[in-house]
Amino acid sequence: RKEVEQDPGPFNVPEGATVAFNCTYSNSASQSFFWYRQDCRKEPKLLMSVYSSGNEDGRFTAQLNRASQYISLLIRDSKLSDSATYLCVVNPKAGTASKLTFGTGTRLQVTL
Amino acid sequence: NAGVTQTPKFRVLKTGQSMTLLCAQDMNHEYMYWYRQDPGMGLRLIHYSVGEGTTAKGEVPDGYNVSRLKKQNFLLGLESAAPSQTSVYFCASSYSRRSAAYEQYFGPGTRLTVT
Repeated sequence: RKEVEQDPGPFNVPEGATVAFNCTYSNSASQSFFWYRQDCRKEPKLLMSVYSSGNEDGRFTAQLNRASQYISLLIRDSKLSDSATYLCVVNPKAGTASKLTFGTGTRLQVTL
Repeated sequence: NAGVTQTPKFRVLKTGQSMTLLCAQDMNHEYMYWYRQDPGMGLRLIHYSVGEGTTAKGEVPDGYNVSRLKKQNFLLGLESAAPSQTSVYFCASSYSRRSAAYEQYFGPGTRLTVT
C-alpha cells in the first residue's frame, strides 16, 4: 500500500462548481498534513496546511480525519485558474520533521 | 528575495556523462532537499540536508551525491548518468522545527534528459 494515495483524476468540472478531493495515508503516526498545488511544468507550492479542527481559506476547505486516515480538500465556486494538480502531502514519521511524503496528485480541469 | 533558484533549467546528457545541479536559497533556511518527479510516481526525496556540512539519504539516493558546503547552496551530482535518471529535479528548502514540518519552498526545477 502506498504511503499516500490520491485519485489521479482528471476531475473535469464547469466553472462555479464545487469539487472535492480525498487522500488516504497509511501511517497512523503521521503528524503534519498539507495540500500543495502544482501548475503544469511548474514547481509545487503550498496551498494550505491541514489541521485536526479543519481549516478554511476563502473558497478552499481542508479536513483531516485521523480515525479513518484521510484528508480532504473542498473547492467551492471553481475558477478557471484553479486548474492544476493538487498534491496531498504528509509528514509520515514522528521525529523526522523535515521529511515529507507526496502523493502523486489529483488533476483538476475547470472549464467554461 | 529570489527564493529558491536552480541551475541549469534544462540539460541533455549522454549515458555515462557527469553533471552537477546547483540549488541556492536566500531565505536563511536550515533544511534543503533534492527531489525527482516522474510521471505517476510523485515527488521522491533523493537526499536532504539539515544544516551546513551535513547530508543524509532520502528514498532514492543511488546514483546521486550531494554536498552542502555553504548554508545557502545544495549541490546534486550525477557521476555517471543513466537513462533511468531522466526526470525533473526539484530543490526545496524549509525552516527547521523538531515537532512538525514547515512549508517547503521549491525551486523551478531542472529538466534532465539522459540519452
